[in-house]
Amino acid sequence: EVVLTQSPGTLSLSPGERATLSCRASQTVSSSYLAWYQQKPGQAPRLLIYGASSRATGIPDRFSGSGSGTDFTLTISRLEPEDFAVYYCQQYGSSRFTFGPGTKVDIK
Amino acid sequence: EVQLVESGGGLVQPGGSLRLSCAASGFTFSRYCMSWVRQAPGKGLQWVANIKQDGSEKYSVDSVKGRFTISRDNAKDSLYLQMNSLRAEDTAVYFCARDIENFRPPYYYYYMDVWGKGTTVTVSS
Repeated sequence: EVVLTQSPGTLSLSPGERATLSCRASQTVSSSYLAWYQQKPGQAPRLLIYGASSRATGIPDRFSGSGSGTDFTLTISRLEPEDFAVYYCQQYGSSRFTFGPGTKVDIK
Repeated sequence: EVQLVESGGGLVQPGGSLRLSCAASGFTFSRYCMSWVRQAPGKGLQWVANIKQDGSEKYSVDSVKGRFTISRDNAKDSLYLQMNSLRAEDTAVYFCARDIENFRPPYYYYYMDVWGKGTTVTVSS
């Protein structure tokens, strides 16, 4: 079973700053099976990135994903006030999904 | 509008049962795999189970095997989760989600693109 680890646990930044979030897998994951979600308090998760680097419909281009193998990154180029939230990576394998523990991006 | 609406949550005693429903609208339900994902209070997301388009294949996380059963009724555009032998650790918000299995040669892509707002299950005496 693939285990996903996300770092840091919390990222404290100011609006306008760049956010770099890491997702590391315990074994190689196909890039096409790696997705990122955003979740705000009291809301359902929202798909941001699929296939490690493809933005979902309606997602602003300040969000970008990269990586391969066991190391993946979500980058928010310039934080907007609405971007402060929790971010989860997710992988698919053996007909099952696994989520990472999440990174909280909060206001410094 | 593509929409998923969960229902059926509530307070139940340990050892009890509950059946969650998810009503789909705005898309051809029978064409998609579907998942249940849960989130315990203050915790992260945990995938619970999923089911193929025709219900022929079902998969679940080990912690619910033998207790939870996922099913669907394509005629009613509905997804279900029958939860038996409930434990305190099953307390969570339960989301249904649409799975995407997308083949763009040479790769398959897997992710969840539509989510419901969730229904809350509390297991407590």
